[in-house]
Amino acid sequence: KAGVTQTPRYLIKTRGQQVTLSCSPISGHRSVSWYQQTPGQGLQFLFEYFSETQRNKGNFPGRFSGRQFSNSRSEMNVSTLELGDSALYLCASSFSGEQYFGPGTRLTVT
Amino acid sequence: EDQVTQSPEALRLQEGESSSLNCSYTVSGLRGLFWYRQDPGKGPEFLFTLYSAGEEKEKERLKATLTKKESFLHITAPKPEDSATYLCAVWHGGSQGNLIFGKGTKLSVKP
Repeated sequence: KAGVTQTPRYLIKTRGQQVTLSCSPISGHRSVSWYQQTPGQGLQFLFEYFSETQRNKGNFPGRFSGRQFSNSRSEMNVSTLELGDSALYLCASSFSGEQYFGPGTRLTVT
Repeated sequence: EDQVTQSPEALRLQEGESSSLNCSYTVSGLRGLFWYRQDPGKGPEFLFTLYSAGEEKEKERLKATLTKKESFLHITAPKPEDSATYLCAVWHGGSQGNLIFGKGTKLSVKP
């Protein structure tokens, strides 16, 4: 079974731009969560989608948004990028008590 | 405030030297506790889920245990390939997709 895939793997953007990251969950998994990982804060929950509906949201500004499509694929968008948004963005899909992560997208904001 | 604390932050072991990593939590309504392994530049790899105090799970040289306040990840006779950052996360209510993570323990095993 294929794992969670994320694209792109690496991204360099300029402050003020916006970015869209994509995540394809494991086949059959309907829950997709997004996390931000930085050396200082560790892994922090952004939001979770289930059957195209946002089920939970973490404490991040409204510049961070997401959506889920009918095939369970998910995208997250960050608008008006700030230097502090540089991080590894991880997507995870869940099923029956286990959450599996993708390899992440490394975003660098300059 | 819900919180997950892992200790130590870093641990250096000689190959074959067994030890334990700690994950303590203060959350209301714990529904599950997860352990992950993360290698540099990669996403976390799922290891275990524990649901209730007294539960234990094993996988190769790793054994995870859970009490009402903390969880331990015991590493028996570690090998250099066990070197990684080990993350603990709790599912504290609501949907399973919202986990609170500790900052991790970076384990180095020297041959």
